[in-house]
Amino acid sequence: EVQLVESGGGLIQPGGSLRLSCAASGVSVSSNYMNWVRQAPGKGLEWVSVIYSGGTTYYADSVKGRFTISRDNSKNTLYLQMNTLRAEDTAVYYCARQRVGATSGGYDYWGQGTLVTVSS
Amino acid sequence: DIQMTQSPSTLSASVRDRVTITCRASQSISSWLAWYQQKPGKAPKILIYKASSLESGVPSRFSGSGSGTEFTLTISSLQPDDFATYYCQQYNSYPYTFGQGTKLEIK
Repeated sequence: EVQLVESGGGLIQPGGSLRLSCAASGVSVSSNYMNWVRQAPGKGLEWVSVIYSGGTTYYADSVKGRFTISRDNSKNTLYLQMNTLRAEDTAVYYCARQRVGATSGGYDYWGQGTLVTVSS
Repeated sequence: DIQMTQSPSTLSASVRDRVTITCRASQSISSWLAWYQQKPGKAPKILIYKASSLESGVPSRFSGSGSGTEFTLTISSLQPDDFATYYCQQYNSYPYTFGQGTKLEIK
């Protein structure tokens, strides 16, 4: 059974830093395209970042230069380092596995989410 | 960036109704589109991928169609468990954008 479990959220002041973790079981973070998606309270879904199996990364413009996606293959864990946090980064952050292939696609496994609140 | 626009934003319907949600892309995305269902406090769940392929385990009352810039999600006969919010997502090019969501409410 595949499980993705996020942790690391909490209340942080504007300008602060936080690192989110996504511990995976039943799926290898190093062999998959792994994503972070966020959802502000009462709002829709926003893609944040992806790390490919080969290590290539992409970011939404809204977080580029402030957030860094990474992984620890030995711990089978995905991370999102968030720096210079702003009030508009307040959201539930989900990690999700992205399927790839000509006959596939979409995010089939999601974690339960971790809430990040940026407020003074 | 590719903009995804869903309509309607809210839809009121009854059990056993047939409903359709539309998603339009600001440029062609071929068939690189997924549909998700989300219930309050839960993570999204994939229903459809590559515009019309039904995810394993998803009831056959859900179907997707379209290509290019216009797509639809149809629920053939609404069940009580289907009242939720639905999102489309393009995965043609980064950033992988979502529609703003369609909230399906009980009439």
